[in-house]
Amino acid sequence: DSGVTQTPKHLITATGQRVTLRCSPRSGDLSVYWYQQSLDQGLQFLIQYYNGEERAKGNILERFSAQQFPDLHSELNLSSLELGDSALYFCASSPGLPGSGELFFGEGSRLTVL
Amino acid sequence: DAKTTQPNSMESNEEEPVHLPCNHSTISGTDYIHWYRQLPSQGPEYVIHGLTSNVNNRMASLAIAEDRKSSTLILHRATLRDAAVYYCILRLSTSGTYKYIFGTGTRLKVLA
Repeated sequence: DSGVTQTPKHLITATGQRVTLRCSPRSGDLSVYWYQQSLDQGLQFLIQYYNGEERAKGNILERFSAQQFPDLHSELNLSSLELGDSALYFCASSPGLPGSGELFFGEGSRLTVL
Repeated sequence: DAKTTQPNSMESNEEEPVHLPCNHSTISGTDYIHWYRQLPSQGPEYVIHGLTSNVNNRMASLAIAEDRKSSTLILHRATLRDAAVYYCILRLSTSGTYKYIFGTGTRLKVLA
């Protein structure tokens, strides 16, 4: 158990819909990262937050947005969903300053868009 | 962004050492080399990281080339539970923050 909690574990929805994925980082970790993993692909970095502020952006689509709240949990919002958005979405957290030390990953949220 | 290159797959016999190579020719002086592995149906987990010197921990060893353009993850005695996708990544320093960029990784198959 990494200490990072992601909900929901599984989500099935239709094209055009909007979903929200939630991540609770390890206690005390200030940095949260979001990654997308499509079938049999590597992990694509989406976005990073540190203590409520956006710190780095990767290949995140304009239809996607994220935020980190004062209690440090984070949400990834995916809208106008397309079939190609079906993937595993991972959240990771790390302690201290951005990027210091290791990343701790949650078990992921599997999104299926029909 | 800097990138890493790894073989798509490797096989090893159980109880034998495994050397997983990684090329990162565009590495910068402040970029750390990290290794993570992803077991089936799980999130990635940290294995080891280093900057310039070789590193050892309870899971593995990391050998870094003198010019830092390549590194090798060494599993000293592979077990069936080590079958996973192993990712070599660079922790990039950019504008006062860090990014971790994952490549496609090496799928390790361990044969009994």
